[in-house]
Amino acid sequence: DAGITQSPRHKVTETGTPVTLRCHQTENHRYMYWYRQDPGHGLRLIHYSYGVKDTDKGEVSDGYSVSRSKTEDFLLTLESATSSQTSVYFCAISPGQSQAFFGQGTRLTVV
Amino acid sequence: AQTVTQSQPEMSVQEAETVTLSCTYDTSESDYYLFWYKQPPSRQMILVIRQEAYKQQNATENRFSVNFQKAAKSFSLKISDSQLGDAAMYFCAYDLYSGAGSYQLTFGKGTKLSVIP
Repeated sequence: DAGITQSPRHKVTETGTPVTLRCHQTENHRYMYWYRQDPGHGLRLIHYSYGVKDTDKGEVSDGYSVSRSKTEDFLLTLESATSSQTSVYFCAISPGQSQAFFGQGTRLTVV
Repeated sequence: AQTVTQSQPEMSVQEAETVTLSCTYDTSESDYYLFWYKQPPSRQMILVIRQEAYKQQNATENRFSVNFQKAAKSFSLKISDSQLGDAAMYFCAYDLYSGAGSYQLTFGKGTKLSVIP
């Protein structure tokens, strides 16, 4: 399995609180991605990174920010969590176009 | 916008039989990758098979094969000799070039496959 770890795996938080999810890789892959998965929607891209400090928005970026200060870590932050952000979040890494590897997912519940 | 469409939200197949999952996509690119991912109840995303658009030969991985019709923008997955362990959500995905040398996977909404003993 690709060396990719998401933390935490589960989190319950209150509306309005900040939340940070971490994605850590040991593969030295250039590309890192954050997706959210909701029933009936498949996986939708939130943000992605194509290098240290190089990030861009995906399809559903509103309410989320990201940072990548080193190759191995990609952080997803919800500045003020809302109930609509209750979801399963997946991190993915990729060496390029041909393949992507996914983390185990983080189930986030905003109450 | 680039889109991936899976028109079958749910499907079922008898154990040992063959089933085909459909996927269509929309793109103006000529060179790209297509993927099928499997997601069992464990939630893990597992790559089943991938296809390079410039290759005319359909990809095959053991019991899994694809029917890639580039002109029709169709990419179906065939599972032969279905097993109970094949029961999962299956996602079709397209690798979109998003500039600055970067790519992003765009997913369909998924097909839930049930395998009947």
